[in-house]
Amino acid sequence: QVHLVESGGGLVKPGGSLRLSCLGSGFRFEDYYMNWIRQAPGKGLQWISYMSVTGSFTNYADSVRGRFTISRDNAKNTLYLQMNSLTVDDTAIYYCARGTVAARHYFDPWGQGTLVTVSS
Amino acid sequence: QSILTQPPSASGTPGQRVTISCSGSRSNVGTNFVNWYQQFPGTAPRLLNYENNQRPSGVPDRFSDSKSGTSASLAIDGLQSEDEADYYCAAWDDDLKGWLFGGGTKLTVL
Repeated sequence: QVHLVESGGGLVKPGGSLRLSCLGSGFRFEDYYMNWIRQAPGKGLQWISYMSVTGSFTNYADSVRGRFTISRDNAKNTLYLQMNSLTVDDTAIYYCARGTVAARHYFDPWGQGTLVTVSS
Repeated sequence: QSILTQPPSASGTPGQRVTISCSGSRSNVGTNFVNWYQQFPGTAPRLLNYENNQRPSGVPDRFSDSKSGTSASLAIDGLQSEDEADYYCAAWDDDLKGWLFGGGTKLTVL
């Protein structure tokens, strides 16, 4: 059974940093693009970033480019999101989602999400 | 960053057919497949329809999607109470080289 589990969320002050992790199981992690998607409280979904199977290709939403860094360790079946210079607008549930063999197909499945709260 | 345009709400009675629209532009909906996601309160989204009316296993064929030009739509036939959820469209954008989501449509079953 394909499964994604995020961790690393929590309360952080504005300007602070946090690193999220997403552990994949039940599939060959190294064969799939991976994504981070977030959802602010009571709001819609926002794609944040993707990474290709080897990590050669990445892209970010304008709202996080230069502050967030996506990475992966295929040996550990784990996707990461390093978040720096956090602002209150970054408060959201962060989901990791499996892509396909390319960037532009779909997200399936999604993890259960991890909540990041940025507040003083 | 721009989003795809969905109506904020939709409603129907059990057994009815309901459609939810998703409007974009040439670089996203007009050029690429539109995917649809269903989200119940307090849970993660799940893939509902993808790549020209394909459905993951377990999704009933009451759910179908279509696209014309820069607009897409999700149709739900034989509406059931358990269909009450938020629905999101998403499409790859060739100019952004990234994904866009619709703002979401809250479906109420009356």
